[in-house]
Amino acid sequence: NAGVTQTPKFQVLKTGQSMTLQCAQDMNHEYMSWYRQDPGMGLRLIHYSVGAGITDQGEVPNGYNVSRSTTEDFPLRLLSAAPSQTSVYFCASTAGGLTDTQYFGPGTRLTVL
Amino acid sequence: GNSVTQMEGPVTLSEEAFLTINCTYTATGYPSLFWYVQYPGEGLQLLLKATKADDKGSNKGFEATYRKETTSFHLEKGSVQVSDSAVYFCALPDTGRRALTFGSGTRLQVQP
Repeated sequence: NAGVTQTPKFQVLKTGQSMTLQCAQDMNHEYMSWYRQDPGMGLRLIHYSVGAGITDQGEVPNGYNVSRSTTEDFPLRLLSAAPSQTSVYFCASTAGGLTDTQYFGPGTRLTVL
Repeated sequence: GNSVTQMEGPVTLSEEAFLTINCTYTATGYPSLFWYVQYPGEGLQLLLKATKADDKGSNKGFEATYRKETTSFHLEKGSVQVSDSAVYFCALPDTGRRALTFGSGTRLQVQP
C-alpha cells in the first residue's frame, strides 16, 4: 500500500491564482489533517477532518478550503494565493486513537510570487 | 491549550557524539508524547513514542523517557551517525482534532 500520497510535489503560483493540493490515503483512516511547515515554527494545523463529510478549522485556516467527500481523499484549496502562503504543505492521516501514529505524505513545496 | 517547547537548533555534532534534544510540554493530564523525524526532502515519520508517564520510547538507538514531574520528553542517542542528520520534532496530541501539536523542530547535523 502507498500510505499517504500528495500531488504535486512542487508548485509555483502567482498572487491571486487558485489551486488544489491533492491528498489521498489507502489505510482506511477516518482522521486526516493538513499542516503547513514554515522555518522555525514547526508544523501548524490548517484544517482537519474526522470522517467523510466532516471538516473543521485548525490553527491557521484563513485562505484555505477543504472538503472530504470520501474516506480516501482530502484536497486542500487555495482560493486566492498570497505570498504569505509560500510554505511546505503536509497531509497526514491517523486511525484516530490518541496513541496512534500520524502518517505523513511527502509534502508539497509551494511558492507564491 | 497544549504546547510544546523544543531547544533551538541547529545542533552540530561529530559522528559518535552523544545527542540530547530537549523537549518540554504543557498539557492537561498525561497525554501520549511523540518524536517525529524529517529527513531531507521527505515527510515526517514517527521515531518513537511513550503513552504514559515513566514510559521509555526507543527506536534506532534513540530513547526518550516521559517524565511527568518535569513535563519533559528529552530525546537522546548515545552515538550519532551521519545518517541521523535530520529535523526532529517533539509532539503531543490535540485531543479534539485528532491531530498533533508540534514543537518548532530541531535540526541536527552530524559531521563525519
